[in-house]
Amino acid sequence: SQQGEEDPQALSIQEGENATMNCSYKTSINNLQWYRQNSGRGLVHLILIRSNEREKHSGRLRVTLDTSKKSSSLLITASRAADTASYFCATADYYNQGGKLIFGQGTELSVKP
Amino acid sequence: GAVVSQHPSRVICKSGTSVKIECRSLDFQATTMFWYRQFPKKSLMLMATSNEGSKATYEQGVEKDKFLINHASLTLSTLTVTSAHPEDSSFYICSASKESYNEQFFGPGTRLTVL
Repeated sequence: SQQGEEDPQALSIQEGENATMNCSYKTSINNLQWYRQNSGRGLVHLILIRSNEREKHSGRLRVTLDTSKKSSSLLITASRAADTASYFCATADYYNQGGKLIFGQGTELSVKP
Repeated sequence: GAVVSQHPSRVICKSGTSVKIECRSLDFQATTMFWYRQFPKKSLMLMATSNEGSKATYEQGVEKDKFLINHASLTLSTLTVTSAHPEDSSFYICSASKESYNEQFFGPGTRLTVL
């Protein structure tokens, strides 16, 4: 079952602005991952943050994790039109879920040039 | 490294026919493969987990006789949609991992349309 909830469901911004997406989950996790999906395409792995980490950076991406609130955020700085895509968080809970990933509902990001 | 392919990328079939989708790990051996289904503008729903050489584990609500999964080798898993109906039309995505509790690498997906 899908446990993750993401907000906003849709986000429209201008090129150059920052985009922030949030993800909440319900169970314990070993790690949380963020993926990007362009329309009609497969998933691209963006970043993984482990349960004992609070923040991680990769290029223009910044991910935070608050395990006490069971939430994570993905910040894309200086957005570009090419960032237009759907973004999903996914959690891994090896003890309870084995190797499965549980995906959030996703945020559809539109970056207008 | 860690490339996963799917074939075909698109398939259109008539109602009642069976369709086979292949998922291949091209440059690594995948002990575990996962099959997901995604409806338009929706999230990925895990259908089943397959380990090489053993029977797939299906998620609750997924008909194992409808969606046959075979993971006969460390680089190939197949999903067969039997007696497909229009409601089976969807985007099917596979992923593969080198070990059961390891990062998953996703294929590009297969768009199935059942007329």
